[in-house]
Amino acid sequence: DGGITQSPKYLFRKEGQNVTLSCEQNLNHDAMYWYRQDPGQGLRLIYYSQIVNDFQKGDIAEGYSVSREKKESFPLTVTSAQKNPTAFYLCASSIGGQGADTQYFGPGTRLTVL
Amino acid sequence: AQKITQTQPGMFVQEKEAVTLDCTYDTSDQSYGLFWYKQPSSGEMIFLIYQGSYDEQNATEGRYSLNFQKARKSANLVISASQLGDSAMYFCAMREGEIAYGGATNKLIFGTGTLLAVQP
Repeated sequence: DGGITQSPKYLFRKEGQNVTLSCEQNLNHDAMYWYRQDPGQGLRLIYYSQIVNDFQKGDIAEGYSVSREKKESFPLTVTSAQKNPTAFYLCASSIGGQGADTQYFGPGTRLTVL
Repeated sequence: AQKITQTQPGMFVQEKEAVTLDCTYDTSDQSYGLFWYKQPSSGEMIFLIYQGSYDEQNATEGRYSLNFQKARKSANLVISASQLGDSAMYFCAMREGEIAYGGATNKLIFGTGTLLAVQP
């Protein structure tokens, strides 16, 4: 079955610690994305990558970092510089290129900073 | 500035009835795409339907249809014959501009969502 997996589902971290959220896809998609969702709000784009070894900042990239060393994987690191990291994080992927490029989402990771 | 507005924070509908979820958008681009996603309590975002700005026909996918009124900049989602499993948050999203590999991005802008509750 093709799809997007995110792990872990729930994550707790102490203030001042970095933490890495996993996102893997086996859809053979070129593009991958990270979004953040806060209660009562829509999704906001953190980072995106259109191709391996390349990524761009989204609207709220401060305090986050990413890498794209493999097509299948796009991990997100929430650093201690992120002032309010408690949120629901969603990873998505899309075919890339031209046309109606629909993004498909993973199940999400809920991060809580204690 | 690009913006998506969903003015209905929450809605109730009786099972088997139709319901319309409102979405208006603001963009200066001639080419754009509009999406609807469903988010159940589990959190996953499920793609429902897509409408391109140049599409002349309203998009339909099973019980979902998109009432696209370009001049009014609205893209309302219509769910026919509501089912209990339709209870969820629904998000409207917009992608601006042409997608060119290595050029314009596929960035989505989301609205704040509408919580739909289907009553038996």
